[in-house]
Amino acid sequence: AQSVSQHNHHVILSEAASLELGCNYSYGGTVNLFWYVQYPGQHLQLLLKYFSGDPLVKGIKGFEAEFIKSKFSFNLRKPSVQWSDTAEYFCAVKGFQKLVFGTGTRLLVSP
Amino acid sequence: DAGITQSPRYKITETGRQVTLMCHQTWSHSYMFWYRQDLGHGLRLIYYSAAADITDKGEVPDGYVVSRSKTENFPLTLESATRSQTSVYFCASRHKTGVDGYTFGSGTRLTVV
Repeated sequence: AQSVSQHNHHVILSEAASLELGCNYSYGGTVNLFWYVQYPGQHLQLLLKYFSGDPLVKGIKGFEAEFIKSKFSFNLRKPSVQWSDTAEYFCAVKGFQKLVFGTGTRLLVSP
Repeated sequence: DAGITQSPRYKITETGRQVTLMCHQTWSHSYMFWYRQDLGHGLRLIYYSAAADITDKGEVPDGYVVSRSKTENFPLTLESATRSQTSVYFCASRHKTGVDGYTFGSGTRLTVV
């Protein structure tokens, strides 16, 4: 069965710091990977996705993620975070007919 | 997101009562999903539907019932609410190809007292 692990549960950064959130997945089929963001009190929004091709995927708001097949990883990065990036971030893998989510990482960016 | 609507946004109910959460989407997406979000657990799939009249269990289906008589609606019913069902519930939908990911509703915050 597919699964997703997000090892960082809480991350605190200062503005302008670089961000990397870890995501490891387990799935034996064709891998489709996603990062979603949930701002406080809001619903989940898609940040970026990987289906095939270039393993470096660029998303909205300056985020990017790199798919490393050999490491079963899909880490999310941003070179310089802003206070407005404070949110919860979810990695997800698409299994048979459905998405499986990690437990999420709460990011707090201090001004 | 304007294309997928959940109601109510907030609900308080008593233990043992039946509660129905509504979800409506306007894209004619084949697939619809119900997730619950709890601290420390992330999002867990309750039920999903691949098309009208086709539903299947997810990771945590116990205590919930769904139906999908029309493509655009996917209500979730708690037959006899328990305190452990206090959670935020998100409905989502996607096109059958899944290439655009999922689109989520704004959520229903349910409190069972």
